Amino acid sequence: DVKVTQSSRYLVKRTGEKVFLECVQDMDHENMFWYRQDPGLGLRLIYFSYDVKMKEKGDIPEGYSVSREKKERFSLILESASTNQTSMYLCASSLGDSPLHFGNGTRLTVT
Amino acid sequence: KQEVTQIPAALSVPEGENLVLNCSFTDSAIYNLQWFRQDPGKGLTSLLLIQSSQREQTSGRLNASLDKSSGRSTLYIAASQPGDSATYLCAVRPFWNAGNMLTFGGGTRLMVKP
Repeated sequence: DVKVTQSSRYLVKRTGEKVFLECVQDMDHENMFWYRQDPGLGLRLIYFSYDVKMKEKGDIPEGYSVSREKKERFSLILESASTNQTSMYLCASSLGDSPLHFGNGTRLTVT
Repeated sequence: KQEVTQIPAALSVPEGENLVLNCSFTDSAIYNLQWFRQDPGKGLTSLLLIQSSQREQTSGRLNASLDKSSGRSTLYIAASQPGDSATYLCAVRPFWNAGNMLTFGGGTRLMVKP
């Protein structure tokens, strides 16, 4: 069974801090994704990676960056956290056209 | 830009009822459509994936249909159970998109009462 693990379930950070959200998958999937989920706005794609060191912007990349140095790990970076980045962050992975597999999410609060 | 809408936003039914969840999308040039389930505070679990060339997919008590020309999909749940209570989301992958990026609907929050 595919496992997508997000390192933290809950995070509380202060405005201006640099924040790292980590995601690891164990099935050698080439595609990895970061979404954020907000009430009334649904899931929105932040960044996507289709291979090591490759990345594509999603619908809302502003204020975020990503890193994919190894195939199994995809990191989301908030360079300077702001309160409007308080959200549920969901990581996903997929192999080719197969369905996406999601992690359990990280609920980030920026105060 | 593709927009995905799910109606109703919330639904409450008694146990045992058959029910239909609706998903509509504005651009019919899709590669596939997926239905997901999300339990409170958790990630999404894939339920069914329908390729653009298919009309329906079935898994157990779930049946998803796709009418690409009208921009609609339905998820049919037979003999609903309290354990079916969750939020159900549909998502489409554009035909041009080689990277499996999805556009999601807002979800339907389902409550099945014992």
